[in-house]
Amino acid sequence: NAGVTQTPKFRVLKTGQSMTLLCAQDMNHEYMYWYRQDPGMGLRLIHYSVGEGTTAKGEVPDGYNVSRLKKQNFLLGLESAAPSQTSVYFCASSYPARDREAYEQYFGPGTRLTVT
Amino acid sequence: GNSVTQMEGPVTLSEEAFLTINCTYTATGYPSLFWYVQYPGEGLQLLLKATKADDKGSNKGFEATYRKETTSFHLEKGSVQVSDSAVYFCALGGGTASKLTFGTGTRLQVTL
Repeated sequence: NAGVTQTPKFRVLKTGQSMTLLCAQDMNHEYMYWYRQDPGMGLRLIHYSVGEGTTAKGEVPDGYNVSRLKKQNFLLGLESAAPSQTSVYFCASSYPARDREAYEQYFGPGTRLTVT
Repeated sequence: GNSVTQMEGPVTLSEEAFLTINCTYTATGYPSLFWYVQYPGEGLQLLLKATKADDKGSNKGFEATYRKETTSFHLEKGSVQVSDSAVYFCALGGGTASKLTFGTGTRLQVTL
């Protein structure tokens, strides 16, 4: 049981290049999330998905696209990278909330992206 | 909308000192509250949680009580260790898609 895995772990891009970050989970979770972590700002939600084939925007979606073609995978794409997208990216997954109780999210180890 | 405010760090303590990290929140409805911990170079992992008013979450010697009247969820530990050095995030969850709203994080440094 690997939990949530992310690839790659590190990446350096030049401005204007594109890339895709892959997140995979083996816990059969319905919900998946992409966050970015920046100093002094905590974690901010980029996009999320409540099931295979569905995605939605989070707090900071501009410049990113996502896809959830399979339940276990959630891809984050940068079509034209900018220096402002230099950050650490975390993927997470969760069961749907039941009644009023939100379930915990399980996080991957992160991808450190630098855009020069 | 939902928001979480937690005390700024870094917090530097000597080993065996008492720890408090303050966290207050603003939310509609009845959110669940969480403390996550991030060790250097790693992702976040759940430390403890509480799902309703007056619940106390506890784990690894850490505790936090869900106080609806003061909208707070302060993290405490009676005796910290060097291995507790990490960044601690307070978060609230609930609503659509169980999204989490995080505080900005508090870095704790414990020295011998």
